[in-house]
Amino acid sequence: GENVEQHPSTLSVQEGDSAVIKCTYSDSASNYFPWYKQELGKRPQLIIDIRSNVGEKKDQRIAVTLNKTAKHFSLHITETQPEDSAVYFCAASWSNFGNEKLTFGTGTRLTIIP
Amino acid sequence: DAGITQSPRHKVTETGTPVTLRCHQTENHRYMYWYRQDPGHGLRLIHYSYGVKDTDKGEVSDGYSVSRSKTEDFLLTLESATSSQTSVYFCAISDGDRSSYNEQFFGPGTRLTVL
Repeated sequence: GENVEQHPSTLSVQEGDSAVIKCTYSDSASNYFPWYKQELGKRPQLIIDIRSNVGEKKDQRIAVTLNKTAKHFSLHITETQPEDSAVYFCAASWSNFGNEKLTFGTGTRLTIIP
Repeated sequence: DAGITQSPRHKVTETGTPVTLRCHQTENHRYMYWYRQDPGHGLRLIHYSYGVKDTDKGEVSDGYSVSRSKTEDFLLTLESATSSQTSVYFCAISDGDRSSYNEQFFGPGTRLTVL
């Protein structure tokens, strides 16, 4: 089955700086890579995702890059703000456009220092 | 938030007792999932459903069973709870529309403690 590794497990950055979280996956058939944000005591919520036919996707201050050859993908947050403090999870799956059996990474706790 | 509720939200039970967690959706989504979340492990898929009466195992299904008798409800049962099943359980749903990607929407979670 799929195995997803996520690094680092904790990350602290100064407000306004950039944060990068990296994930690797094992199954070359995986084609869907979402990122979820989970605030303390809350449910995970999708913040951005990418499919294997795209190398990069941006949404305002958030971007995700995918390197299929190396089987890794990364989340980039620019101009970080205090509300970015949360746990971030990457995931991977072989998507059959409906049945996304996601395998999650172990999470990165991001702390933004004011 | 998508129309997903979980009940109970908190439960404390004793080893060996049966426990059933309920996930209810009002979105008429086809796919429903049960995950458990533990420190150091992220979210792990227990079981999922791709339609009424259609279910399959995830990566950590031992000790759990599920049932889906109608579109809106997906039940997770621990036949004989063990302390290793102490966790936060999340239900998720997705649409199954084959014309687009399918974001999974998560419920609020159930914190289960097995003593």
